[in-house]
Amino acid sequence: QQPVQSPQAVILREGEDAVINCSSSKALYSVHWYRQKHGEAPVFLMILLKGGEQKGHDKISASFNEKKQQSSLYLTASQLSYSGTYFCSRTNAGGTSYGKLTFGQGTILTVHP
Amino acid sequence: NAGVMQNPRHLVRRRGQEARLRCSPMKGHSHVYWYRQLPEEGLKFMVYLQKENIIDESGMPKERFSAEFPKEGPSILRIQQVVRGDSAAYFCASSLGTATYEQYFGPGTRLTVT
Repeated sequence: QQPVQSPQAVILREGEDAVINCSSSKALYSVHWYRQKHGEAPVFLMILLKGGEQKGHDKISASFNEKKQQSSLYLTASQLSYSGTYFCSRTNAGGTSYGKLTFGQGTILTVHP
Repeated sequence: NAGVMQNPRHLVRRRGQEARLRCSPMKGHSHVYWYRQLPEEGLKFMVYLQKENIIDESGMPKERFSAEFPKEGPSILRIQQVVRGDSAAYFCASSLGTATYEQYFGPGTRLTVT
């Protein structure tokens, strides 16, 4: 079961803020966020680990609620370059292949001048 | 430090031909993952490999698809007897480790089956 993202699409003006949510019905070990522009490869943004550790982008913040199995990505003071499709992905808790990523369906973010 | 490299970037095959996609991970990375992305869809896990070993191939179709990551050389994703439904972007990602490490994606190979 893939994580579920909301909203499916967001339209912003430059400088506005946005929150993208991700929830999972399966236990989360870690949550990884990526941004993909059309025709390009996904670019790593942030990884959130159980216990609160985070690694990633200076200008993007995120939260990870282990109990609710949810994560949120916070984009503040958006820039035109933030446009793209944002994917959350999870790794499984345990097992031999807990590195594989299961991606959500994506959230399309469009920033206008 | 060069990023993840994939070639070819674009590949056109006729139905029934074979497609070979290559992936060279980032230097020092021994974990390689292959993902497939159908047009206007998200990424789907296919296979996870470490050097000379397939760790998880639960996302690979049972027939026609195979992957390897030899001791020397790039990882190869091989699709035999391609069909139109195989048309997609195939991305390779590499990492230093598993769940607690970020995965870096290559530029992808866009396969078109005619």
